[in-house]
Parts: sequence; structure tokens; C-alpha cells
Amino acid sequence: AQSVAQPEDQVNVAEGNPLTVKCTYSVSGNPYLFWYVQYPNRGLQFLLKYITGDNLVKGSYGFEAEFNKSQTSFHLKKPSALVSDSALYFCAVRDRGGVTGGFKTIFGAGTRLFVKA
Amino acid sequence: NAGVTQTPKFQVLKTGQSMTLQCAQDMNHEYMSWYRQDPGMGLRLIHYSVGAGITDQGEVPNGYNVSRSTTEDFPLRLLSAAPSQTSVYFCASRPRQESNQPQHFGDGTRLSIL
Repeated sequence: AQSVAQPEDQVNVAEGNPLTVKCTYSVSGNPYLFWYVQYPNRGLQFLLKYITGDNLVKGSYGFEAEFNKSQTSFHLKKPSALVSDSALYFCAVRDRGGVTGGFKTIFGAGTRLFVKA
Repeated sequence: NAGVTQTPKFQVLKTGQSMTLQCAQDMNHEYMSWYRQDPGMGLRLIHYSVGAGITDQGEVPNGYNVSRSTTEDFPLRLLSAAPSQTSVYFCASRPRQESNQPQHFGDGTRLSIL
């Protein structure tokens, strides 16, 4: 079965320190990979995506993500965390067109990031 | 350009009542989806549509109906509300071309079933 795992319910980091939010997936083929962020009482907002090519993808608000095919991981990173980065982060994968025809996106359970001043 | 608009933002229902959650997008996106968000479970797909007149079931479709008569609108109907349907519901859309495009989300409807 296809799945996305975010092994940490919460990540705590001090402001100015680097942060990593982990994501691993189990999806056949070479899926598209996404990260979204959710602020309180808001919908999900797109941060970045991996399609192909360079394993390090840069996105919005200084975030980047590292794709590792052999480990089927797509970890979200930021060199220097801000208090305003505190939010709920979701990893998501989408089949390129296999069984689901490229229609469905599978989301992880989410990781709450808390950045302390 | 409003993006994806969901109404109402909050709703309280009694068990057995029915209601329709509205979703509209002004980006001319073919693909639209409904998700429910529950603590610790991420987003689960309820129903989706790949264009006007075409809908299909997602992971958790029981107790919900959808229709897609226009490109812009994708309402979600609860037929007979149950406490297990207490959740936050999100509508999302994306263009049909190039399946690598991210989804655009509304701000959700927070639904409580008593």
C-alpha cells in the first residue's frame, strides 16, 4: 500500500538553529513530492516540490528539501529557523500516473514545528 | 482572484441532519478534491473530480456525496450527519495539465456533529 510517514509528531528548535522535518514514503515508481505548511485556522499552503533533477530543491520562505531516492526520503530543511516558522508541516506524494492515474495525492500525518525565541 | 473559497467556515449540526459544504474556485482548475483533516491522521481524500460531470470516490467516501455541474463549484453533501464526521474539511483544486502542479486549498470548514 502507498504511504507517507512523518515520524515526528513535533519538532522543537531554537530560533537561529537549523531545522529538519523528516518524511519517508512508500510509493511505486517515481512520484512527485511536495511539502505544504498550515498555519492556524488556514488551509495548506504550498512550499516546494520535487519533480526531477537536482536532489536539493529550494522553495518559499527559505525552506529547502533534500530528495534521497535510495532511502525514499524527502526531508524538509531550513538553515536558520524563525519563530514565525512555527506551524504544521505536511509531506505529500503523488503518483505520476500509475494506478491512480496521477490524480490522487497522499499526505503524511503532519509534523508540528515549534521554534522557540 | 479569490482562489478557493469554502463556506461556511464553522457549522454545528445535530446527528441525522444533512447539509452541504460549498467550495468554489475561480482559477479554472479542472481537478478538485475534498479532504477531511483529523488529528494525527493528516488529510484523507473523500471525493475528487477531474472535470465537470466527473466524480470519483477517495479513501473515505462513506456518508458523503458530491456533484460537479460546473468547473467552478464542487459541493460536498453530508446525507445524515454522524458524530464520526466531526472534522475539518478542506477543498482543493489544481490544473489538469501537468500532474506535478501543487494543489490550492481553501481555509476549511470546521464541522461539529452533536
